[in-house]
Amino acid sequence: QVTLRESGPALVKPTQTLTLTCTFSGFSLSTSGMCVSWIRQPPGKALEWLALIDWDDDKYYSTSLKTRLTISKDTSKNQVVLTMTNMDPVDTATYYCARIRRYSSGWYPLDYWGQGTLVTVSS
Amino acid sequence: QSALTQPASVSGSPGQSITISCTGTSSDVGGYNYVSWYQQHPGKAPKLMIYDVSNRPSGVSNRFSGSKSGNTASLTISGLQAEDEADYYCSSYTSSSTLPNWVFGGGTKLTVL
Repeated sequence: QVTLRESGPALVKPTQTLTLTCTFSGFSLSTSGMCVSWIRQPPGKALEWLALIDWDDDKYYSTSLKTRLTISKDTSKNQVVLTMTNMDPVDTATYYCARIRRYSSGWYPLDYWGQGTLVTVSS
Repeated sequence: QSALTQPASVSGSPGQSITISCTGTSSDVGGYNYVSWYQQHPGKAPKLMIYDVSNRPSGVSNRFSGSKSGNTASLTISGLQAEDEADYYCSSYTSSSTLPNWVFGGGTKLTVL
C-alpha cells in the first residue's frame, strides 16, 4: 500500500526559506524507475508542478521556479525534501508530494498523492 | 495563467454525458501521449482518473474515458452521478525546455444539476 505524507511549517515569513518533507511508504526510491514529485495549489487555483527527483538522484525543476527550488532525497528514511527560497505571499498554497514512475522510454503518471500541507506566507 | 486551457465550468444532469476539453500545444498535449486527468473534491488531494490519454487506473469507473485529437485532449464522463461533482484537471508531460516538465490545466468545475 503506497502512502505519502507532507510535513512542514504552516506559516512562513516573506523572504524566508521553506523546507517541506515528504515521507512515503509502500515503495523505495532506490528501486529503478521510482520518482517523487512536488506539486502545489494556491487556494482556489490550479495545480502547478514544481520538481521531481528519481531513483538515480536526477532532479528536474519547473522552468519558472528552478532558481528557487532544491529537491533531495534520503533513501534510508524514505523521505524527499523540497526547499524553496525567498518565499512570497503568492507562494501561499497547499503543497503536495506524489509518486511517479519512469520506464525505459517514458513516464507513468502521478498516481499516488499525499493529502497536502497548507503553507501560508505572511508577516 | 495555466499552460493548458480548460473551460472554467461544465454542468450536466444525472445520467447525462459531459466532455471537458484541454487544449495545449505541440510541445505538450500534441507532442506526447502522456495526458492525465485528475478529479479533486473540495479539501481533498487529486485522484488519478485517466492516464496516457485514454487509460483508466484500476478501480476507476468505466464511465470515465479520455481521448486526444491534435493539441486537444478530452475527458468524457457518461452516466453522470452526484459524486462526480468535483474539479477536474488535465496534465501533460512537456519537454519545451528540453528537460522533463509537467503542466496542468486551469481546472474545470463540474456541477451535477
